[in-house]
Amino acid sequence: SQQGEEDPQALSIQEGENATMNCSYKTSINNLQWYRQNSGRGLVHLILIRSNEREKHSGRLRVTLDTSKKSSSLLITASRAADTASYFCAATYSGSARQLTFGSGTQLTVLP
Amino acid sequence: GAVVSQHPSWVICKSGTSVKIECRSLDFQATTMFWYRQFPKQSLMLMATSNEGSKATYEQGVEKDKFLINHASLTLSTLTVTSAHPEDSSFYICSAYGGGGTDTQYFGPGTRLTVL
Repeated sequence: SQQGEEDPQALSIQEGENATMNCSYKTSINNLQWYRQNSGRGLVHLILIRSNEREKHSGRLRVTLDTSKKSSSLLITASRAADTASYFCAATYSGSARQLTFGSGTQLTVLP
Repeated sequence: GAVVSQHPSWVICKSGTSVKIECRSLDFQATTMFWYRQFPKQSLMLMATSNEGSKATYEQGVEKDKFLINHASLTLSTLTVTSAHPEDSSFYICSAYGGGGTDTQYFGPGTRLTVL
């Protein structure tokens, strides 16, 4: 299986703190995407980072990519209770016909 | 961003019946759509790639005769779970790439299937 790993599996922080989630993948990628999923809902696209990029920002989100380590991280700054959700990374592997392979996910709980 | 809808959002059926789930791209055309299954507290697993006007491509271990996929138009793909059994109970989610060649994949809200 090409499914990547994410850590931590679960993360609980106080409102206002930063949350960092890590994702590892298997082989070379075209891009890596991060999604958020609230319980029982569909996925919301957060950010896409291409294999030739090292860092991207979007509002309170910062994503980094280290292709030498085959890993990515998602940082949420100044977290809010509304950020409570599951976060998934998803890789588009080279030669995969643009299919996404999801990581195992991180359940983030932000306490008010 | 592009919008993908699914219908129904939830369905309960008896064992042995068939259930059809629709996935629509609302404001763009999608030549390719993807179907995923997600069990509680787990990640998404790709079931199949749905191609408009041709046969779907199924992932290893997914029974094509059990999960029938039809992609009859550029905005609609359907997944039919045939002769459903309790082990088919799951959250089914579809997705599609937004129009214009974007690499961003957009997801529907999902369909919760419960087979009694």
